[in-house]
Amino acid sequence: RKEVEQDPGPFNVPEGATVAFNCTYSNSASQSFFWYRQDCRKEPKLLMSVYSSGNEDGRFTAQLNRASQYISLLIRDSKLSDSATYLCVVNRHNTDKLIFGTGTRLQVFP
Amino acid sequence: DTGVSQDPRHKITKRGQNVTFRCDPISEHNRLYWYRQTLGQGPEFLTYFQNEAQLEKSRLLSDRFSAERPKGSFSTLEIQRTEQGDSAMYLCASSFEGLAGINEQFFGPGTRLTVL
Repeated sequence: RKEVEQDPGPFNVPEGATVAFNCTYSNSASQSFFWYRQDCRKEPKLLMSVYSSGNEDGRFTAQLNRASQYISLLIRDSKLSDSATYLCVVNRHNTDKLIFGTGTRLQVFP
Repeated sequence: DTGVSQDPRHKITKRGQNVTFRCDPISEHNRLYWYRQTLGQGPEFLTYFQNEAQLEKSRLLSDRFSAERPKGSFSTLEIQRTEQGDSAMYLCASSFEGLAGINEQFFGPGTRLTVL
């Protein structure tokens, strides 16, 4: 079993829709959590860090449930430019390496 | 451009040859990481440096792989006797430990290696 699990998708949604991605992690020692966005054949770009209380950045909302070891990302009012792969990432306590999920692909259509 | 830079962006080599990649981190970042990504997978950690010290290496990093960061600035990743299974995107990232110890890493554009 992978340490970080995501539904690979693809999620095909119309412009303006709200879409949610979920991610589970298996190591309870995970300390920091992130969502990265990756466009085809490009590098991952940090979308947002995920804080225990949940956090919002414009149309993007991230939630963390430590008890269930679950992270979510909600995108409201989807834009064509949101089409990308969204990578769920965790960082364990006492190590600086990031553990990535395989990513969830989002395609927003007109 | 003040982001992470990597050179070369693409490398095609024949099996058995040695290759070396370079990474220049964001200037004020003291931590530098190497990851490898294959198609359909997320990046996998290879190794990381804090300043010039190599602090952690993945078991993915066989003895054919070596990384250095001699002056705590740029880093090189060398692969000796390349194999076809080494074909991947090699990503470099850098970070500076911020508030609350959250380790936000910023990635370079990657070096795409193809071993024929």
